[in-house]
Amino acid sequence: GAVVSQHPSRVICKSGTSVKIECRSLDFQATTMFWYRQFPKQSLMLMATSNEGSKATYEQGVEKDKFLINHASLTLSTLTVTSAHPEDSSFYICSARDLRPEAFFGQGTRLTVV
Amino acid sequence: GEDVEQSLFLSVREGDSSVINCTYTDSSSTYLYWYKQEPGAGLQLLTYIFSNMDMKQDQRLTVLLNKKDKHLSLRIADTQTGDSAIYFCAESITGGSYIPTFGRGTSLIVHP
Repeated sequence: GAVVSQHPSRVICKSGTSVKIECRSLDFQATTMFWYRQFPKQSLMLMATSNEGSKATYEQGVEKDKFLINHASLTLSTLTVTSAHPEDSSFYICSARDLRPEAFFGQGTRLTVV
Repeated sequence: GEDVEQSLFLSVREGDSSVINCTYTDSSSTYLYWYKQEPGAGLQLLTYIFSNMDMKQDQRLTVLLNKKDKHLSLRIADTQTGDSAIYFCAESITGGSYIPTFGRGTSLIVHP
C-alpha cells in the first residue's frame, strides 16, 4: 500500500505558541489531503480538505485562521495550529489520496498544549 | 446526508471468528472501507469494497455487503490478540472527492 508519513508524532508546546505538523506522501502524488482531529474514544472529525495548489476547504465550525493548512506540493501538506491553547490538545491525523478511491493515513500527531 | 453507524465494542476469544457490523445510509454508488487503528497510531486501510460487489475476501478478512439493507460486515477468521484494535467503517461517494465518512469505531478486544 501507499505510505503517508506524518511528523512529529508527539509535540508539547506552550499556550500561545504555534505548532506545525507535516504530512508527506512518500511513494505517490497526493492530489488531495485530509486533516482530521480525533478526540479520545471518538471517531475522526474532518477538519479540512486540501487540493494541491488550492486553498483548503474547511468544515463547518473549524476556524481557518487558527488551523492553517498549506498544500504546496503533491507530496506535502502542513497543518499549523496558531496561538495554541489547551483545548487544542488532541490527536491530529492526516490522510492522502491520489486518483484511487483509497485514502491512506499518517501515523498521527499527539499535540499537548500546556 | 451520509451516516455510518457501528457498535462500539466487541469481545472475542482468541482463535474464534470476529464479526464487526456497520450500517450506512447513502444509497448512491459508493466505496465502503474498513480501517484498523491501534493505540496511539493512525489508521491502516484493511480492505475496501465497491457497492456493486457482495463479498470480498483477503486472507483472514472477509467483507460482506448487503446493499438492500445497507449493511456491511467485516469477519476476521482465527482472531489473534494482535487483532485487538479499533475498527472503523467508512463510506465515500463516487464522482466526488472520495471524502470518507467514518463510523465511531468498534473496539475489538481479543482475550486468551
